[in-house]
Amino acid sequence: GQQLNQSPQSMFIQEGEDVSMNCTSSSIFNTWLWYKQDPGEGPVLLIALYKAGELTSNGRLTAQFGITRKDSFLNISASIPSDVGIYFCAGQLKSGYALNFGKGTSLLVTP
Amino acid sequence: DAGVIQSPRHEVTEMGQEVTLRCKPISGHNSLFWYRQTMMRGLELLIYFNNNVPIDDSGMPEDRFSAKMPNASFSTLKIQPSEPRDSAVYFCASRGHGRANEKLFFGSGTQLSVL
Repeated sequence: GQQLNQSPQSMFIQEGEDVSMNCTSSSIFNTWLWYKQDPGEGPVLLIALYKAGELTSNGRLTAQFGITRKDSFLNISASIPSDVGIYFCAGQLKSGYALNFGKGTSLLVTP
Repeated sequence: DAGVIQSPRHEVTEMGQEVTLRCKPISGHNSLFWYRQTMMRGLELLIYFNNNVPIDDSGMPEDRFSAKMPNASFSTLKIQPSEPRDSAVYFCASRGHGRANEKLFFGSGTQLSVL
């Protein structure tokens, strides 16, 4: 599959801080998605992006589809302890294709 | 609305034994995916089906792995014989068709331990 480079690998922050993570690829993607995984569970979809430049929010989460179509960003504002988990980016080359996943960003939030 | 259902949640077996993992996709979804997750390699696609037909099985590690989808509501992933390096969490995921339905929905996974 296509290589997705996700960074940072892990983050350790205090409650209330904002968080930014990103994902880059050498390939152009048709769709970008962001998932969150809690311990012992499967990844859950947070945000889906379909057009270059698209900026979409889901509560305190905001994600952007990069203009070059080779990257995407996820921001979490005013983090809270329940934001703890692993965040994955996923890209799709074409409609109907399987998703390629990044290695994940592990987020820890201290009260 | 039930999500993707996987069974068992946990499986502990001895090396050499056959392991069968099961998945029921979301009703109406026409694509089904099997992923494996490990610390070292992250989420790896093993195989996926469209309309019950295998489309890409290039991620299946070896002949010991096989997957079937006999109908739209059921799929199995079988490992025979199992080896310790197969220990991982195996996820099944499904999605509908059309651009607006590219979202993939995951089951809770099967934690496999091969001793």
